[in-house]
This record gives sequence, structure tokens and C-alpha cells, in this order.
Amino acid sequence: NAGVTQTPKFQVLKTGQSMTLQCAQDMNHEYMSWYRQDPGMGLRLIHYSVGAGITDQGEVPNGYNVSRSTTEDFPLRLLSAAPSQTSVYFCASSPDRVAYEQYFGPGTRLTVT
Amino acid sequence: DAKTTQPPSMDCAEGRAANLPCNHSTISGNEYVYWYRQIHSQGPQYIIHGLKNNETNEMASLIITEDRKSSTLILPHATLRDTAVYYCIVRPAYNQGGKLIFGQGTELSVKP
Repeated sequence: NAGVTQTPKFQVLKTGQSMTLQCAQDMNHEYMSWYRQDPGMGLRLIHYSVGAGITDQGEVPNGYNVSRSTTEDFPLRLLSAAPSQTSVYFCASSPDRVAYEQYFGPGTRLTVT
Repeated sequence: DAKTTQPPSMDCAEGRAANLPCNHSTISGNEYVYWYRQIHSQGPQYIIHGLKNNETNEMASLIITEDRKSSTLILPHATLRDTAVYYCIVRPAYNQGGKLIFGQGTELSVKP
């Protein structure tokens, strides 16, 4: 199993551009989530999904959209990037929402200029 | 979810036990204590969890006080590769979203 994969590893955007951060898992996990991590801070939850077709907001959802059309994929969309969205983004998955262990991807480092 | 308090940083000598404390004085009866760690630039990694009994696995031990208001993660023989930020998280086992709320964590430096 590849586990949780994220692409790209690095990305630079200009203010106002849009892009999609990709997240995929091959463990048939129902639960997937997106976090962002800013320098010197812990991780903050952006959006999560408890199964295909079901998504919900986390702590910091503004400026981000998600959808979950398949079990494997959970893309994060930035519709109009802002400098405040410069961060490292982590995707995570677990077998279900009550599972004890979540598996994290390697992260995408995004810079918005 | 209950809030946790951890020291911002700790040092430990290689080969010695690292004891990382966490205060969670507002924990509810149905909330578990989880520990994750994040090695520099990598995604967080699950370590261990517990409800009220002490727990041990191949990575660490978790000691939870009888009143459940605090806990200690123990790495019995710390190595340089254990240098990381350690997060203590409290959440219900059956919360609606399965979400983890990360605090600031403790930055553990293991020194030779």
C-alpha cells in the first residue's frame, strides 16, 4: 500500500489564482480530512469527510472547497488564493470516524505571493 | 473537546526515558487521550491512546492519573530519531466528525 499520497509536494501561486491539492489513499478508508499547519503552530482542521458524498467543515474552512466523489480521493480546492493561505497542508485518513489512528500524508507546501 | 496544556519544549539525553506531561483537567468521561508526534517536515504519526488505564505499545507507554486530569507519555529509551513535536489530544471516541484538534505540542529534543 502506498498509504496516503499528496500532490504536489510544493506549489507557488499568485494571489487570486486557483488550484486543487490532491489527496488519495489506497486503504479503503471511509474517513478523510485536510489540515493546515502554519509556522510555530499546531495543525488546524479545514474540512473532513466521513464517506463518499459526505463532507463537513472543520475549524478553518473559509477559502477552501472540498468534495468526495470516491472513497479514494479527497481534493482540496482553493478558488482564489490569498497570501494568508500560505501554509503546509496535510491530508489524513482513517478506517472510520471512530478509529483511533489517523494516517497522514507527507504534506504540500504552498506559497501564495 | 477538552483542551490540553503541554510544556512548549523539553530536552532528553539519548538512551534515557523521556517523560512528556499533558494536562487535560476538563476531560469528560467519554473522552480518550491520544498522542501523536510530528518529525520535522513530515506528517503527524499516531503513537498511542488510552481512556483510563495505563497503556503500552512498541513505541511508548501512556500513564493516565486516576482522576484523568493529566497524563504522561513515556518513551523508555529515547533515541535521536525521537526528536519531534509531540501532541496530546483529547477527543470523544464517538464524536461526530472523527476530528483531531491539535494544540501547540511539546518540542522534544533528544541530545547525544
